[in-house]
Amino acid sequence: DTAVSQTPKYLVTQMGNDKSIKCEQNLGHDTMYWYKQDSKKFLKIMFSYNNKELIINETVPNRFSPKSPDKAHLNLHINSLELGDSAVYFCASSQGRGVPNTEAFFGQGTRLTVV
Amino acid sequence: RKEVEQDPGPFNVPEGATVAFNCTYSNSASQSFFWYRQDCRKEPKLLMSVYSSGNEDGRFTAQLNRASQYISLLIRDSKLSDSATYLCVVNIPLTGGGNKLTFGTGTQLKVEL
Repeated sequence: DTAVSQTPKYLVTQMGNDKSIKCEQNLGHDTMYWYKQDSKKFLKIMFSYNNKELIINETVPNRFSPKSPDKAHLNLHINSLELGDSAVYFCASSQGRGVPNTEAFFGQGTRLTVV
Repeated sequence: RKEVEQDPGPFNVPEGATVAFNCTYSNSASQSFFWYRQDCRKEPKLLMSVYSSGNEDGRFTAQLNRASQYISLLIRDSKLSDSATYLCVVNIPLTGGGNKLTFGTGTQLKVEL
């Protein structure tokens, strides 16, 4: 049973399109994240939600909009896709505040290619 | 200055060698620390947490120096299967709940015959 699952695994789309990536965790965690890993392999945090509330919103173009319908789900919608959006997007979850040494569990990643 | 800094490598070492990775972090409010491992085209996975007193897990030893804001990972008797990217991760608790896990750029290790 996959702890953090994200779909799709691969996404190839044309510039200007709008696409969504979905993420679900069955670990009962309070906190979920979206990370972007670019061609230089640097994992950069984009957003984080704690119990459905947005708590981290890094400098990300407003074409990216996260949505958390409940604490087990965190989706990412991207409008007007650009070539530079091509990357691997990882969803992750961890227990919330007050839990020391909280480990993050990652989904398998969504490899987005914009052509 | 980056929040978490690592030497990107690559470190090319022969099988059986001992290799050490270093990491520095800038936020003194950081509360917990980890080493993650990422294999090519895979997701990052926890290798080990790093405790103030230092901790060991088999061939792997992690150290933390809070005063210097420095974390290290030592791998003894390297195996071919240790080839991967090692990510230093720092956790900063946020007021109001949640944690911010910040990753270093990763250090690439290649263990060769």
